[in-house]
Amino acid sequence: AQSVAQPEDQVNVAEGNPLTVKCTYSVSGNPYLFWYVQYPNRGLQFLLKYITGDNLVKGSYGFEAEFNKSQTSFHLKKPSALVSDSALYFCAVRDREYNFNKFYFGSGTKLNVKP
Amino acid sequence: DAGITQSPRHKVTETGTPVTLRCHQTENHRYMYWYRQDPGHGLRLIHYSYGVKDTDKGEVSDGYSVSRSKTEDFLLTLESATSSQTSVYFCAISEERGSQETQYFGPGTRLLVL
Repeated sequence: AQSVAQPEDQVNVAEGNPLTVKCTYSVSGNPYLFWYVQYPNRGLQFLLKYITGDNLVKGSYGFEAEFNKSQTSFHLKKPSALVSDSALYFCAVRDREYNFNKFYFGSGTKLNVKP
Repeated sequence: DAGITQSPRHKVTETGTPVTLRCHQTENHRYMYWYRQDPGHGLRLIHYSYGVKDTDKGEVSDGYSVSRSKTEDFLLTLESATSSQTSVYFCAISEERGSQETQYFGPGTRLLVL
């Protein structure tokens, strides 16, 4: 079965510094990987996805993610963090079963950006 | 929120009572999902639907049932609520777009079972 792991429950970073939120995956076949963000009392919002092509994927709000096949990782990055980036971030992998797509989510990483 | 609404947004109920949560979408998406979100577990799939009257179980379906009589509505029923079903419930949709398929989420329903 497909799965993703987010090894850090929480990441703390100062405003203006670069941030990284880690995700590793385990899949059979081609990986389809996603990042979502959740602000308090809101649903998940789609940030970006990797399907194929360039290993560096750019998404919303200045975020990007780097797909690394040899390390089976899909880390989320941003060059300069903002306080407003503080939220819960989820990595997800999509699996195709019986002609139907299912999505499997990591446990989430809380990002705290301090002024 | 991709045209997805959930009702109610908050509910408090007692153990043993039935509860129905509603997900409504306005964009005629074929696929709909119900997840629950709990600390340390991320999102776990309860049930999903791939068309009107076509539903199937996810990884945590015990104690839940679903119905989809119209494309736009996907109902989640807790047949006899238990305290372990206290959670935040999210509905999601996706369209069949081959490799480009992405899920989009509703705002969530916060359920407390006393």
